[in-house]
Amino acid sequence: NAGVTQTPKFQVLKTGQSMTLQCAQDMNHEYMSWYRQDPGMGLRLIHYSVGAGITDQGEVPNGYNVSRSTTEDFPLRLLSAAPSQTSVYFCASSPGQGSFSYTFGSGTRLTVV
Amino acid sequence: DQQVKQNSPSLSVQEGRISILNCDYTNSMFDYFLWYKKYPAEGPTFLISISSIKDKNEDGRFTVFLNKSAKHLSLHIVPSQPGDSAVYFCAAPGAGNMLTFGGGTRLMVKP
Repeated sequence: NAGVTQTPKFQVLKTGQSMTLQCAQDMNHEYMSWYRQDPGMGLRLIHYSVGAGITDQGEVPNGYNVSRSTTEDFPLRLLSAAPSQTSVYFCASSPGQGSFSYTFGSGTRLTVV
Repeated sequence: DQQVKQNSPSLSVQEGRISILNCDYTNSMFDYFLWYKKYPAEGPTFLISISSIKDKNEDGRFTVFLNKSAKHLSLHIVPSQPGDSAVYFCAAPGAGNMLTFGGGTRLMVKP
């Protein structure tokens, strides 16, 4: 049971480039979410999904897109990378409403130069 | 406006002593709280939680206390061990059942 798998683990982008951070879970969890971690700011919610075909914005959604075509996958797209998007990104999943059992991936460290 | 705050960015404790990590919240609608532990280069892992109907929850060396009137919770680790050295986040489920996190406290337990 792999849990939540994030790829890549590290990435360096140039300003203006686009890329997709991958997230997959094999626990049949209904809810999935993306967070970014910055020093002193904790983890801030970017986007989340409560089921396939349903997504919503979190606290810091600007510059990011998501889609949820399957239960297992929840990719995060950076449309035009900016230095302010340098961060560590975490994907998380949970079984669904009423469950607070969140499982996190190991993170993607992104640097935008 | 941060709804969950951890005002101490770091804490250093001697092995065997008690570690007390604090967390304050502003949203009175929060009714469940969680503590996560995070090691470098890993994702956060769940440590302990508490419902607002309780004021204390204990799991081995870890105890969480909730003071609803003060909108304050604390995590006690007794006795502290070097392996407890990590960043600790408190969190509460908000809109969409998604977690709102505090800024984290880095705990260092010295042998």
